Amino acid sequence: KQEVTQIPAALSVPEGENLVLNCSFTDSAIYNLQWFRQDPGKGLTSLLLIQSSQREQTSGRLNASLDKSSGRSTLYIAASQPGDSATYLCAPLRYQAGTALIFGKGTTLSVSS
Amino acid sequence: DTGVSQDPRHKITKRGQNVTFRCDPISEHNRLYWYRQTLGQGPEFLTYFQNEAQLEKSRLLSDRFSAERPKGSFSTLEIQRTEQGDSAMYLCASSLEYSPGELFFGEGSRLTVL
Repeated sequence: KQEVTQIPAALSVPEGENLVLNCSFTDSAIYNLQWFRQDPGKGLTSLLLIQSSQREQTSGRLNASLDKSSGRSTLYIAASQPGDSATYLCAPLRYQAGTALIFGKGTTLSVSS
Repeated sequence: DTGVSQDPRHKITKRGQNVTFRCDPISEHNRLYWYRQTLGQGPEFLTYFQNEAQLEKSRLLSDRFSAERPKGSFSTLEIQRTEQGDSAMYLCASSLEYSPGELFFGEGSRLTVL
């Protein structure tokens, strides 16, 4: 059974800092991995999708890397802004017949101005 | 297309009542998923449909829960005889069959059982 762990659970930083969010998963036989953002009381917004054949994806100030063999992914946020404050969730998709994403508990980020 | 829409956004009910949530996916998406999320936790998979067929159900989906997607478009999630432990955000997502994992989520339906 896939288990997903995200560290740290919460993070507070001043505006402008670069930061790294970590995601680890127990079953490395994944098809892809997705990072989502969730604002309080809202649904999830996809940030980056990394295919298993890729090592990283970039979108603006966000960069996500994937190391399947070690079961790890990181989300790097450059020059953080108060608008980045949200919960960040990672979700690997397993190869098997079921296609459900398995989520970690997320990292709650607070960026102060 | 405005994305995945869910209705109602908030529902407060008394224990023992039945509630139903509706999800309208992105129009060309043939896969539809239901997740449940409690405070401080990540979303937990409940069930998913490909067109009108319900292809997978989680063990979390007890006998009191039933989901349908009769015409392969919108879906409903019904909870019978609600319990306080059912209080959660119920999230719907949709995707294309050939883009597995690339899910688009709705804003969710928050259920409070008193």
